[in-house]
Amino acid sequence: DTEVTQTPKHLVMGMTNKKSLKCEQHMGHRAMYWYKQKAKKPPELMFVYSYEKLSINESVPSRFSPECPNSSLLNLHLHALQPEDSALYLCASSQVDNEKLFFGSGTQLSVL
Amino acid sequence: AQSVTQLDSHVSVSEGTPVLLRCNYSSSYSPSLFWYVQHPNKGLQLLLKYTSAATLVKGINGFEAEFKKSETSFHLTKPSAHMSDAAEYFCVVSDNRSGNTGKLIFGQGTTLQVKP
Repeated sequence: DTEVTQTPKHLVMGMTNKKSLKCEQHMGHRAMYWYKQKAKKPPELMFVYSYEKLSINESVPSRFSPECPNSSLLNLHLHALQPEDSALYLCASSQVDNEKLFFGSGTQLSVL
Repeated sequence: AQSVTQLDSHVSVSEGTPVLLRCNYSSSYSPSLFWYVQHPNKGLQLLLKYTSAATLVKGINGFEAEFKKSETSFHLTKPSAHMSDAAEYFCVVSDNRSGNTGKLIFGQGTTLQVKP
């Protein structure tokens, strides 16, 4: 199994809503990542988890809250988002200290 | 600091003709370089990776890239384009600084259009 599975594929939420994005992999990878991608732009790194601990936070606003409950799962909790947060959110995983990342298909988020 | 520059934002080729997507890099360290492809509304898929072994790297789907240190380039090529190659292509360098393992630095992307 070389897949990274993200749910939901699409999400529409209001600015007062709380929602969560989920990511799952069963490749035994101990590094997991959240990227944000605006239309026609490259992905931008948000967070990196290594051995279930947060290792990189790219100065992401606190309305985005990551969580890594175990080695297979990665969540991104969303609260009080702004319309400019609308984007494709990509999850990825890799072996620790290995630069070969496996990406999921993403969650297309729209904030109204 | 490490960075990549993709020299063309848009490339259009006819099916069956060669593909050349250009990428220059800047790195203070021995770089790890990648090409990723992203089809519409999809995640990214690794095409190939260079890590200081052979300078000519073969990837999936007939793509290859040549690392040229003297030119600081890592151009992606394919001898014959297929309609299914139409996608966004990203040249990527890995930030090898301590503590930044796994942090990828993306180029701005090149949109490949393949005409029948």
